[in-house]
Amino acid sequence: QQPVQSPQAVILREGEDAVINCSSSKALYSVHWYRQKHGEAPVFLMILLKGGEQKGHEKISASFNEKKQQSSLYLTASQLSYSGTYFCGTEIMGGYQKVTFGTGTKLQVIP
Amino acid sequence: ETGVTQSPTHLIKTRGQQVTLRCSSQSGHNTVSWYQQALGQGPQFIFQYYREEENGRGNFPPRFSGLQFPNYSSELNVNALELDDSALYLCASFSSLRLSEQYFGPGTRLTVT
Repeated sequence: QQPVQSPQAVILREGEDAVINCSSSKALYSVHWYRQKHGEAPVFLMILLKGGEQKGHEKISASFNEKKQQSSLYLTASQLSYSGTYFCGTEIMGGYQKVTFGTGTKLQVIP
Repeated sequence: ETGVTQSPTHLIKTRGQQVTLRCSSQSGHNTVSWYQQALGQGPQFIFQYYREEENGRGNFPPRFSGLQFPNYSSELNVNALELDDSALYLCASFSSLRLSEQYFGPGTRLTVT
């Protein structure tokens, strides 16, 4: 079952913040986050393991609520370079590192 | 630059033919995953190889097969190509010792006519 992301699309002005959510119906072992620009391969942003830890990558951070099987990606003070499609990737318990990608969130940052 | 390379960049094949796609991973990355990404969709997991053995498979038929070699390179083979196999094929490698790092290659764009 594919994780569901929300929102499907969002437009931000430079400097604004955004939150992208990822929800799974299965017990998760880990959540990955990726950004993909048009015509390019996905770029790995971070991985969160079960335990609710929050990780950060410059002005991009994420949290993982293992009880709710949900993860959120936080983008603060957005930059034009943040534009792209964001995917969460989930790994279920006993999934042998098989990553299932979410439905995707298209983010556009405008000047 | 991720250190993961794929070849060829683009490929056009006819329905029913066979194709081999190649991926070269970073040194020390002993796990490689292959994904299929149709236009406008997210990547779909095909299978994963760990130390030259298949270690997990997605919902793809047996005509999708793979190999991993000791030199951190791998192959994806697709037999009896169908029109729906047209997609971007991505490999991603990561070290099982450092779960925080997974890197994708640039992909191979396969068109089946």
